[in-house]
Amino acid sequence: GAVVSQHPSWVICKSGTSVKIECRSLDFQATTMFWYRQFPKQSLMLMATSNEGSKATYEQGVEKDKFLINHASLTLSTLTVTSAHPEDSSFYICSATRRGPYEQYFGPGTRLTVT
Amino acid sequence: DAKTTQPPSMDCAEGRAANLPCNHSTISGNEYVYWYRQIHSQGPQYIIHGLKNNETNEMASLIITEDRKSSTLILPHATLRDTAVYYCIVRVAKGTYKYIFGTGTRLKVLA
Repeated sequence: GAVVSQHPSWVICKSGTSVKIECRSLDFQATTMFWYRQFPKQSLMLMATSNEGSKATYEQGVEKDKFLINHASLTLSTLTVTSAHPEDSSFYICSATRRGPYEQYFGPGTRLTVT
Repeated sequence: DAKTTQPPSMDCAEGRAANLPCNHSTISGNEYVYWYRQIHSQGPQYIIHGLKNNETNEMASLIITEDRKSSTLILPHATLRDTAVYYCIVRVAKGTYKYIFGTGTRLKVLA
């Protein structure tokens, strides 16, 4: 149990366009979802925390107008990278928690390349 | 938020036990220690977690010192598939329960 999926697994887009990444908890209802970004050979950096039906809470230094997060249901959160630029190219990973011990279950990640 | 310190890299011979240390000297009394690993280009995989007592599951054992300022993850019989980056995380105990990832330990299991 506790499977988290992401779609797409990889995407290439042109500079200036927007890209949406989906994160789904497949077999449980997620009280909270998290979005991370990871650059090559670096650790995961938390971008934002989202709860269903609420506005996301962004970490310091993360532009909320550039990285739009929508958490429409207890099983789906989306991250939209708006007006993407080459420096936004990265590995984006989501995670989800459920009530109880609150450990996070991670998705497989989405590799974004902006050309 | 409590911070963790891990050695940047370790090697281990296949079939031997891999002991991965983690320092978390500023941990609070109600904060858990979590261990995850990340195989190249994948999302992190949960391994084990604990509060005070030692824990064991099918993947690993977690030894937490009595003062809770450090812990050790033990992979009893390392295989080549255990080659990964291992992260020790102290979870924020209240609010959003978010994780703050440190730099992790890159474990290489050698044939």
